[in-house]
This record gives sequence, C-alpha cells and structure tokens, in this order.
Amino acid sequence: GAVVSQHPSWVICKSGTSVKIECRSLDFQATTMFWYRQFPKQSLMLMATSNEGSKATYEQGVEKDKFLINHASLTLSTLTVTSAHPEDSSFYICSARDTGTSGGHNEQFFGPGTRLTVL
Amino acid sequence: AQTVTQSQPEMSVQEAETVTLSCTYDTSENNYYLFWYKQPPSRQMILVIRQEAYKQQNATENRFSVNFQKAAKSFSLKISDSQLGDTAMYFCAFMKTGTASKLTFGTGTRLQVTL
Repeated sequence: GAVVSQHPSWVICKSGTSVKIECRSLDFQATTMFWYRQFPKQSLMLMATSNEGSKATYEQGVEKDKFLINHASLTLSTLTVTSAHPEDSSFYICSARDTGTSGGHNEQFFGPGTRLTVL
Repeated sequence: AQTVTQSQPEMSVQEAETVTLSCTYDTSENNYYLFWYKQPPSRQMILVIRQEAYKQQNATENRFSVNFQKAAKSFSLKISDSQLGDTAMYFCAFMKTGTASKLTFGTGTRLQVTL
C-alpha cells in the first residue's frame, strides 16, 4: 500500500510554545488529508479534514486557532499546535486519501503518528 | 450521523484458535464502506479488511474474514488460526461513499493472543 510519513515521531515541548507536525504522502497525491487525536486506550477522534489549497474543515469542539492546519501541496499537510499546554499532550495521527485509488474506494493510508508531550 | 459500536472492550484467544470481534453500526445510507483496522503496540494503523455495502459476498483476506449482515447492520471480523502478531487494538470503521466522506471509528476491541 501507499506510504504516509509523519515528522517528528515524538516531541517534547514547554508549555506556551508551538509545535509543528508534518504529514507527507510519499508515493501518491492526496488532495485530502485528515488529522486525528488519540488518547491512551481510546479510539481515534477526527480533528479536521485538510483539503489542498483550501481551508481545513474542523470538527465540532476543535479550536481552529489552536490547531492550525495547512495543506499547501498535494503531498504535505501540517498541523501546528499553538501555545501548547499539558492538556494538548496526546498522540496525533494523520491519514491521506489516495484520490487515484481505482474503483472509488477512497482508501485512507495512515501515518505512524506523533507523540506530543507538553511539559 | 453515523455511529459505530464495538461492544467487546477486550478479548483473549489462544494461539491457533479462532476469534470473532463484533461491530454494529447505524446509518440511513444505502451505499457505504466498512473497514476493520488493526493498531498494534507500534500504534501504526493498518487496514485489515474492507467491505463495500453493495456487495453481498463477505470479504476475505487470508486468515481474516467478515460476516456482513446489511439488514442487521452488523459487521463482525473473524480471525482464524490466531497468531501472536495479531495482538492489537482492532477498530471497526464506517465511511459513506463520496470524495467528501470521512471515517467514523468504533471504540475498539483489544485482542490478546496467548500461547
């Protein structure tokens, strides 16, 4: 299957600083990418849908000014956690939809995730 | 809105045995996709199997198969000849058809394969 990378795989930052997480589709183009947040032993919670060249669509309850999403190219989306606080500590996962998937399956491929710890 | 329910938080199975994970969903859509994803300790999400709602035949991928009951809105996963490497969280997921669609995940079932 297609490969999605995330960088960094883990990051520790001080409270009040901003952290940027990159999500790249390595061997396919992705007009749509998704950002999820996962707490320990819980399911994935969709934060926002990122569309190349347009504004992201945020899920209810997700602060768009805190979680800035940029999807500047067909292979890269970034999530910036601004003014991070300890409660933002979590596992963040991105996925990319391969719009070239035959049969309209719209299959999503997931990155390996980024563990964010805010001190 | 769609909902996905996994009623088994944890399950255990012995190596080489068969285990079935349950999933039910609620939707008013007629065309959609259903998925089972595996999340091992590495936390990398891996697609296990996919089912298109318009297909009556149950999907099969090697040791993994599903029992898709559209009228009952049930989508269970059967793992045959369980292996230690099958130990993981398993998430059932629903997605409407269409390019604007997104995955809705269940709460997950933690499967432990024992010797």
